[in-house]
Amino acid sequence: EPEVTQTPSHQVTQMGQEVILRCVPISNHLYFYWYRQILGQKVEFLVSFYNNEISEKSEIFDDQFSVERPDGSNFTLKIRSTKLEDSAMYFCASNRRGMNTEAFFGQGTRLTVV
Amino acid sequence: AQSVTQLDSHVSVSEGTPVLLRCNYSSSYSPSLFWYVQHPNKGLQLLLKYTSAATLVKGINGFEAEFKKSETSFHLTKPSAHMSDAAEYFCVVTPYNQGGKLIFGQGTELSVKP
Repeated sequence: EPEVTQTPSHQVTQMGQEVILRCVPISNHLYFYWYRQILGQKVEFLVSFYNNEISEKSEIFDDQFSVERPDGSNFTLKIRSTKLEDSAMYFCASNRRGMNTEAFFGQGTRLTVV
Repeated sequence: AQSVTQLDSHVSVSEGTPVLLRCNYSSSYSPSLFWYVQHPNKGLQLLLKYTSAATLVKGINGFEAEFKKSETSFHLTKPSAHMSDAAEYFCVVTPYNQGGKLIFGQGTELSVKP
């Protein structure tokens, strides 16, 4: 069964460093998403991506964040200068249709900023 | 604005007894609603979905949910809990025809006692 894969599963970084979280969405999916879950809090939408551009982003997704689909299979989230409060589980998701349909999630990357 | 409220942060049941996880939604339009499950150290897995077809929706592992528009509810039930059902459950809404982002409830942690 096709699945969304994320690497690494756990990343520890120093405050101020750049990190790149990687995702391989399901191959015939067209819409891609990043969500995050700070420990003990709800899962929050960060950004959606379709046709090589951001289609929607939340207030959380400020200039420190960027997304890219560099090669037609990977979908990456970059945090330019990490802060302590960026520590969270980051989930990548994808789907075929975008609207009114479920998303398929990866297992997440736990980012710890020290 | 669309939102979901999960009325219980933690539910504890005995193995073999019924499970009820409560969810109320707020949406200006006909929403699509989902329940996702997250087992420890695993990703988010879709349990079931409502997308304006039958109001009683059956999902995996014996779970089902009923969409009640008059009560703006989408409660998750299972007739008989199994130990393997212990996990975090999320009620999720995606606003109709407004893009693919998902809005998560706060989550309900289900414990199953032997």
